[in-house]
Amino acid sequence: QKEVEQNSGPLSVPEGAIASLNCTYSDRGSQSFFWYRQYSGKSPELIMFIYSNGDKEDGRFTAQLNKASQYVSLLIRDSQPSDSATYLCAVKRSSASKIIFGSGTRLSIRP
Amino acid sequence: SAVISQKPSRDICQRGTSLTIQCQVDSQVTMMFWYRQQPGQSLTLIATANQGSEATYESGFVIDKFPISRPNLTFSTLTVSNMSPEDSSIYLCSAGRQGATQETQYFGPGTRLLVL
Repeated sequence: QKEVEQNSGPLSVPEGAIASLNCTYSDRGSQSFFWYRQYSGKSPELIMFIYSNGDKEDGRFTAQLNKASQYVSLLIRDSQPSDSATYLCAVKRSSASKIIFGSGTRLSIRP
Repeated sequence: SAVISQKPSRDICQRGTSLTIQCQVDSQVTMMFWYRQQPGQSLTLIATANQGSEATYESGFVIDKFPISRPNLTFSTLTVSNMSPEDSSIYLCSAGRQGATQETQYFGPGTRLLVL
């Protein structure tokens, strides 16, 4: 079992709709959770991080964390073509310094 | 957020040679890391760069092949030694701060390496 699992996609969403990206993790000791966006040919860009159960909103982005289910998700409202990218989920144990990345979900927003 | 720069941005090298990649952060950070990313793949952590001491390598990566230095809090180098075509990849420097309420990690623009 991979430590961080994501559906590789591609996930195709019409412009203006809500894109929902999901991630599960295997280590119950994980404390910090991150979402990175990576455009083709570019390096990953941190867009959200969350530590507590529940929702965290930042503009059009909402991160949701459910530690009991070991599940973290990213919602993108009013999806735009510029949101088309690969989204990487990452988790970290509080006692360790390294972040574990998932393989990423490729998101395509169709006009 | 920390601003991270890398040099060179890209290079084409002959097999058997070595290349040193530099990473500079614009502010003091507690952690620095080196990753590799093959085309279409996710990130693979090579090692954690420790200030003033030997780097901590992940399984499958060794110091003789990927020597790393971190002489201060804002600068690190990664050398890819005795290169082969299998070393062709994007190498990414990452840095971050760890605090009680904020724990973030950022990436540099990457170094695209092609080994012939």
